[in-house]
Amino acid sequence: DAGVTQSPTHLIKTRGQQVTLRCSPKSGHDTVSWYQQALGQGPQFIFQYYEEEERQRGNFPDRFSGHQFPNYSSELNVNALLLGDSALYLCASSFLRAQAGDTQYFGPGTRLTVL
Amino acid sequence: GNSVTQMEGPVTLSEEAFLTINCTYTATGYPSLFWYVQYPGEGLQLLLKATKADDKGSNKGFEATYRKETTSFHLEKGSVQVSDSAVYFCALKSDYGQNFVFGPGTRLSVLP
Repeated sequence: DAGVTQSPTHLIKTRGQQVTLRCSPKSGHDTVSWYQQALGQGPQFIFQYYEEEERQRGNFPDRFSGHQFPNYSSELNVNALLLGDSALYLCASSFLRAQAGDTQYFGPGTRLTVL
Repeated sequence: GNSVTQMEGPVTLSEEAFLTINCTYTATGYPSLFWYVQYPGEGLQLLLKATKADDKGSNKGFEATYRKETTSFHLEKGSVQVSDSAVYFCALKSDYGQNFVFGPGTRLSVLP
């Protein structure tokens, strides 16, 4: 059973460009959350998708958008990249009707570098 | 809003030393509490969790007890190994949402 997978592993972009990151959830999971982890910091919640709709959103600008497909996989899009968007982007999957203690399973992340 | 505070690192210990990493939280309701570990170049792995007051989570020799009266969830291990060197994150999940709130992380280095 494959866990959460993300692609690509690493990405280098320049300021002003747009980027798309991809995530496939763990088998049986229907909810995907995205986090941004800047160097030396804890992950910050970007948003969560369920049934192809954004269900919750953290404190991130509209430049950050996402999508969830019928097979539960998800994309994170970032427009007009800034130097400060350089970070490790983590995808986590879960089952929406999970019990209180059920956790999210994290992928290995995509390292985005903006030059 | 919900928040998590951790002791600042880095923490450097000798092998077989006792480890404590402090974690306190602010949250409404009854959150679940977690410790995640991140090894170099990898994503987050769940280390242990507790879902209600006075619960003790444990795994691989690590333990943490959910203390509602002190809003704390300190991580402890009696005898650390070099292989425990990593960054440790305390996190909470509220009882009304599924997203996690993470602390800033504490880097642990264990020397042989």
